[in-house]
Amino acid sequence: GAGVSQSPRYKVAKRGQDVALRCDPISGHVSLFWYQQALGQGPEFLTYFQNEAQLDKSGLPSDRFFAERPEGSVSTLKIQRTQQEDSAVYLCASSFLGRSASYNEQFFGPGTRLTVL
Amino acid sequence: GQNIDQPTEMTATEGAIVQINCTYQTSGFNGLFWYQQHAGEAPTFLSYNVLDGLEEKGRFSSFLSRSKGYSYLLLKELQMKDSASYLCAARYGQNFVFGPGTRLSVLP
Repeated sequence: GAGVSQSPRYKVAKRGQDVALRCDPISGHVSLFWYQQALGQGPEFLTYFQNEAQLDKSGLPSDRFFAERPEGSVSTLKIQRTQQEDSAVYLCASSFLGRSASYNEQFFGPGTRLTVL
Repeated sequence: GQNIDQPTEMTATEGAIVQINCTYQTSGFNGLFWYQQHAGEAPTFLSYNVLDGLEEKGRFSSFLSRSKGYSYLLLKELQMKDSASYLCAARYGQNFVFGPGTRLSVLP
């Protein structure tokens, strides 16, 4: 497709379950970002990949959060033992250049809305 | 941290002009983005400012003052479809920090 896609669009999990959220970036984009967006708030940075390398995971809130991008394209964000505070929209964004480039527009996917009961 | 401040909500009338302000911490700053986000949808890019001044793109314009840590997004000839959240995002080094967003309601 032409844009960033994410699946599933909606996910309901029981507290304690593990979930996996998928992101398909725009083909050829070097950079991939994951963000967490709480209701009524702006996106908060979670982690960044340049190709297959995870260069920044400073925003991951706990060791229950894990992300990978093994072949430098599709990425998966995994949350283990989900808690109610994990309920949010998880956004993925990709950009053509590395994030150190002076100008680097991010293209966002529609997000996955995670609800933990 | 790098606090980004925006008004939470604004209301304007169809056909009018509205200005959405954003303030940010200046230390380490190297660029400012504006995104539009309709409810339940992805943020979409509107503008990018790195130098002082006004950037105009059709009905939308964005202004930056680096010394004041201030930006605004100006929307002219408002249309109902402009009802959305507007996100200000500042770049610090290689990091992008988003504001909380301003929810704009355009009334007929």
